[in-house]
Amino acid sequence: DTGVSQDPRHKITKRGQNVTFRCDPISEHNRLYWYRQTLGQGPEFLTYFQNEAQLEKSRLLSDRFSAERPKGSFSTLEIQRTEQGDSAMYLCASEKTAGAPNTGELFFGEGSRLTVL
Amino acid sequence: DAKTTQPNSMESNEEEPVHLPCNHSTISGTDYIHWYRQLPSQGPEYVIHGLTSNVNNRMASLAIAEDRKSSTLILHRATLRDAAVYYCILEGDSWGKLQFGAGTQVVVTP
Repeated sequence: DTGVSQDPRHKITKRGQNVTFRCDPISEHNRLYWYRQTLGQGPEFLTYFQNEAQLEKSRLLSDRFSAERPKGSFSTLEIQRTEQGDSAMYLCASEKTAGAPNTGELFFGEGSRLTVL
Repeated sequence: DAKTTQPNSMESNEEEPVHLPCNHSTISGTDYIHWYRQLPSQGPEYVIHGLTSNVNNRMASLAIAEDRKSSTLILHRATLRDAAVYYCILEGDSWGKLQFGAGTQVVVTP
């Protein structure tokens, strides 16, 4: 499978614990995005990377959230001291904007569902 | 990016066409109109996008009004697999930072 892959698919944790999600984008996709989706709502933008540089962070991304993409390939999203309000689906998407004409198409993974008890 | 307005839900019979409307009266001249859909328990999936002219691809057609203040996504023959939430999104100078609304839940009846 050459799509965007996310791990783990499901995570249940207790309030106050730290969690980390990993996203492997499609090979050669230079942009990587993180979104969050709560039940019944559309996804909300959190942050994005162009190669290894984190270019923008949403106001939704509190200080407890940190994202990295150290080598411009896979990315991690860490949530420290989780709260019940962090319960959501965390979606990763990738896009190729360099080289071939930009189709404007984001490729999403299946998401990592977080439940904070 | 400007906002869009979509109906909460639409029903269709299998193998019938589905026309999904989207209003975007505050669209700017450089905003692209994107459509994504999200099947249950999956991430969003790109459907189609356009700027001014109507667009066709293997999944759907996009009809854009002449004043660009509205558009319609057309699924030519609905299948059960097309049951999903469909999002109409305007994308201007914030490529990739898609602002999803609540979308339209499409129900396909056999």
